[in-house]
Amino acid sequence: ETGVTQTPRHLVMGMTNKKSLKCEQHLGHNAMYWYKQSAKKPLELMFVYSLEERVENNSVPSRFSPECPNSSHLFLHLHTLQPEDSALYLCASSQVWAGGVYNEQFFGPGTRLTVL
Amino acid sequence: TQLLEQSPQFLSIQEGENLTVYCNSSSVFSSLQWYRQEPGEGPVLLVTVVTGGEVKKLKRLTFQFGDARKDSSLHITAAQPGDTGLYLCAGEDYGQNFVFGPGTRLSVLP
Repeated sequence: ETGVTQTPRHLVMGMTNKKSLKCEQHLGHNAMYWYKQSAKKPLELMFVYSLEERVENNSVPSRFSPECPNSSHLFLHLHTLQPEDSALYLCASSQVWAGGVYNEQFFGPGTRLTVL
Repeated sequence: TQLLEQSPQFLSIQEGENLTVYCNSSSVFSSLQWYRQEPGEGPVLLVTVVTGGEVKKLKRLTFQFGDARKDSSLHITAAQPGDTGLYLCAGEDYGQNFVFGPGTRLSVLP
């Protein structure tokens, strides 16, 4: 138990569906992250929120839309996905110190997404 | 673009053997983390190293940060089946970037 929870753990969706992934952290951290983990590829950082503001978006397709309503919750809204978007989606949180230093990310268990 | 390389990519050993896995980059990092990930789960943080030359021990695991803060190694003594998993290193660049290596997949056979 890392203090970061994700729901659902598994999701199967069609290419025309709309779904959302949810992440909640119970660690009092002020930064949250979405990562994509595909087979045989390194973890890919998708979005970073620090103090509830998006600070990084690594050229992610617009069919992925993040939302961070407060420092404890993070969502990833999915719309019109492609089969190649099937992957493990991981949420993480960390405490950002003065000067913007990111350190020691704590991960949730992930959502295994399959797009048919 | 900062890149982290990890070697070996795959490693299969017998219980009781020792092993070392490596994490290398041409870039300097302000800190480096090691994680272990089991199938179907998220990565779990093992250790953070910050100072060049630093050595940290976690039971049978020994982590070392290179003097120039560009590389790191993880040594496991007397490996056990419970050590099986994907070992990931991640480098932080003074808050500007956070990059993961591709991982070393370790299998310890009983």
